[in-house]
Amino acid sequence: SAVISQKPSRDICQRGTSLTIQCQVDSQVTMMFWYRQQPGQSLTLIATANQGSEATYESGFVIDKFPISRPNLTFSTLTVSNMSPEDSSIYLCSGDMGGVGTDTQYFGPGTRLTVL
Amino acid sequence: RKEVEQDPGPFNVPEGATVAFNCTYSNSASQSFFWYRQDCRKEPKLLMSVYSSGNEDGRFTAQLNRASQYISLLIRDSKLSDSATYLCVVSASKIIFGSGTRLSIRP
Repeated sequence: SAVISQKPSRDICQRGTSLTIQCQVDSQVTMMFWYRQQPGQSLTLIATANQGSEATYESGFVIDKFPISRPNLTFSTLTVSNMSPEDSSIYLCSGDMGGVGTDTQYFGPGTRLTVL
Repeated sequence: RKEVEQDPGPFNVPEGATVAFNCTYSNSASQSFFWYRQDCRKEPKLLMSVYSSGNEDGRFTAQLNRASQYISLLIRDSKLSDSATYLCVVSASKIIFGSGTRLSIRP
């Protein structure tokens, strides 16, 4: 298994500003993902964070709004840019160990974002 | 049609009861199947993988029916601590989470 930490755990931000969320894994993972979870809803995949190359974004999400970095196998960041109240959500990162139990994902505790 | 559909619940059952959830998926090429558990205001955590032959882990039994494209989760002798949202997860070219089934166990 993997232990994943995120920071900040929560933040309240003003409209038009940007927030960068950090995700740290205690061991190397093959894949890292960023999700968004609206209150009472399930998880929506934003993008796959690729090491050393541009992230792969899902439909409805673009790099200008959600730039992602992944400089190595244990760390990734997600930036929520030019925020609006509609961006208020929980943002979760996850890691996939690959190999045995492929596709098994371990999640960070999430970042609770409120945009005023 | 959603790619992964679950009973939304909520299921409200007494302690000790047996409860079952179903989940259907639309992509016949799906290869991996899981049940995750998410407690209120917490991150999802893997409960169990679902194998073609079915698998059991204590009070929990998961089944996969590829022909009908559904998976199920059975919880026997339910405990108060089983109260949570149960997420069905299906993986083909990408991983899709169901919307979750809320379970509440009452004393």
